[in-house]
Amino acid sequence: ETGVTQSPTHLIKTRGQQVTLRCSSQSGHNTVSWYQQALGQGPQFIFQYYREEENGRGNFPPRFSGLQFPNYSSELNVNALELDDSALYLCASSPPNSGANVLTFGAGSRLTVL
Amino acid sequence: GENVEQHPSTLSVQEGDSAVIKCTYSDSASNYFPWYKQELGKRPQLIIDIRSNVGEKKDQRIAVTLNKTAKHFSLHITETQPEDSAVYFCAASVGGSYIPTFGRGTSLIVHP
Repeated sequence: ETGVTQSPTHLIKTRGQQVTLRCSSQSGHNTVSWYQQALGQGPQFIFQYYREEENGRGNFPPRFSGLQFPNYSSELNVNALELDDSALYLCASSPPNSGANVLTFGAGSRLTVL
Repeated sequence: GENVEQHPSTLSVQEGDSAVIKCTYSDSASNYFPWYKQELGKRPQLIIDIRSNVGEKKDQRIAVTLNKTAKHFSLHITETQPEDSAVYFCAASVGGSYIPTFGRGTSLIVHP
């Protein structure tokens, strides 16, 4: 059984650029959630995907978008990057019928916007 | 939406002492309360959770208590060890959405 894997692990972008982050869910998990974790803060919910559809969204602007694929992997896209987008982006997957959102996190993608 | 407050932000203890971290939540519909441990540079990992139908849960040196009336829950770590040093996050999920809202974290430092 493999865990949640994310790529890339680190990346540097400049303001105005676009970025795509990728996540492979844990085997058997069909729900993927994305979180933004700024330095010294708790994870902030961005959105969740279930059955390839967005299934909940936090307080993030539309330039944050995502996809989920038939194999349950997912992408997070951020357009028009801003300095405040610098953070650790965490992907987490959840098993079906868990009764609650029991999250298994990936190691994250650390984005630096210059 | 749900709001989770966590205290203290930093907690420093001597090895062998107990540590207590407290969280409050705002939405009375919340029914699932997990705790995550995040070591420096690593992913958050679930260490214990509690559902609203129980008041306390224990797992070896860690325990969680829940007071639904007061809308607060706490993590208790006994006989702390240096490897317990990490940032601990509480979270609360509203029934139906099942999307946890996290607290801001507590940095626990255990001095040998």
